[in-house]
Amino acid sequence: DQQVKQNSPSLSVQEGRISILNCDYTNSMFDYFLWYKKYPAEGPTFLISISSIKDKNEDGRFTVFLNKSAKHLSLHIVPSQPGDSAVYFCAASADTGFQKLVFGTGTRLLVSP
Amino acid sequence: GAGVSQSPRYKVAKRGQDVALRCDPISGHVSLFWYQQALGQGPEFLTYFQNEAQLDKSGLPSDRFFAERPEGSVSTLKIQRTQQEDSAVYLCASSLSEPGNTIYFGEGSWLTVV
Repeated sequence: DQQVKQNSPSLSVQEGRISILNCDYTNSMFDYFLWYKKYPAEGPTFLISISSIKDKNEDGRFTVFLNKSAKHLSLHIVPSQPGDSAVYFCAASADTGFQKLVFGTGTRLLVSP
Repeated sequence: GAGVSQSPRYKVAKRGQDVALRCDPISGHVSLFWYQQALGQGPEFLTYFQNEAQLDKSGLPSDRFFAERPEGSVSTLKIQRTQQEDSAVYLCASSLSEPGNTIYFGEGSWLTVV
């Protein structure tokens, strides 16, 4: 049972445009959500997070939106740059005393010049 | 070191062989995690340590998998009698005391069982 789903395996965007990566979850106990970025042959790198008490968190070019009623979150990258090309993983955790992250399967973003 | 360090980076094991994967967390990080990432999938939780205490091992797929962190710093993930389905990237991660602190991942140990 996939509790965190990223239904788009890949996304192609032109440099300077907006990239929107989507993520859905099924477990209503999740209260903390994160996005990780992964380059080939490297480990995932933390990008941005959001608590369930918020519906938006912004950090520079990256904004995460959370819609709790729809159990949906999205990551917006504006403007997209070629260096943003990577695999993006959505992750979630419940309040279990530690961050036991449940990851989606990832979306490969390609930003072309 | 500056980040989470894992060794070996690449390991090819014959089926039935035992392997040991090492993780050096960021200095001072209390929490340590192991994840398994199969090809085309996201990382999946294996186990969690707080200092030397293994507080959650619910993700370990079988009793062939064993993890330890005897002095609350370096951790070792051991897989006995490896099987082909054990082929994956094994990611170690660490963070300051939980909850809420950023989790930093290492580059992973790529295990191929032939």
